[in-house]
Amino acid sequence: QVQLHQWGAGLLEPSETLSLSCTVYGGSFTGYFWSWIRQAPGKGLEWIGEINHSRNTNYNPSLKSRVTVSLDTSKKQFSLKVTSLIAADTAVYYCATSARQWAYYQDSGKYDWYYYMDVWGNGTTVTVSS
Amino acid sequence: SSELTQDPAVSVALGRTVRITCQGDSLRSYYASWYQQKPGQAPVLVLYGTDNRPSGIPDRFSGSSSGNTASLTITGAQAEDEADYYCNSRDSTTDPPLVVFGGGTKVTVL
Repeated sequence: QVQLHQWGAGLLEPSETLSLSCTVYGGSFTGYFWSWIRQAPGKGLEWIGEINHSRNTNYNPSLKSRVTVSLDTSKKQFSLKVTSLIAADTAVYYCATSARQWAYYQDSGKYDWYYYMDVWGNGTTVTVSS
Repeated sequence: SSELTQDPAVSVALGRTVRITCQGDSLRSYYASWYQQKPGQAPVLVLYGTDNRPSGIPDRFSGSSSGNTASLTITGAQAEDEADYYCNSRDSTTDPPLVVFGGGTKVTVL
């Protein structure tokens, strides 16, 4: 059973940089995307960014200028950096792996991939406060 | 960008059936996945694709998709099904298609 163990500093001051890492245990380092998602107190899930096995990255446009996701396959690890922190970055941060499947879409009459986040870390609470 | 819209909250009597919907134009191009989140816990994948359940998810959870709407149905809701449910897909209006989440639906079992 694949598990994700995530860690990193939980209390940071405004303008500092958040660094979190996530290690894959209990299985091979598979998965198509490795993602970061966050959840502000009392709010819904917000996708931050992702990286694939070719180290291609995608980011939420609202966070792109401050976010970097990286991958270290030798350590079975992927990481998140968020710079210039503000109070609104206070949230629980989750790592997750995404699988993908090929499927037929009746509406378009085409085949295409679809993705789903099948394994999640337990979350790291990050508080940004002076 | 394309959004996914969910009703904020629904309630269901114990043992009855409830359907949660997720609407968005991107669902015409990418299947949705569904996640259950209980207070203080990480989300858990409960459905993916048209109607696929990961191992360990009860068969009272089922899914369907038509046009721009994906649905999660709980048939015979149990007390332990009380949770927030989020749909997720890819935004077909961006290149590459980026990840998008619905706002979540709080399910209360009465």
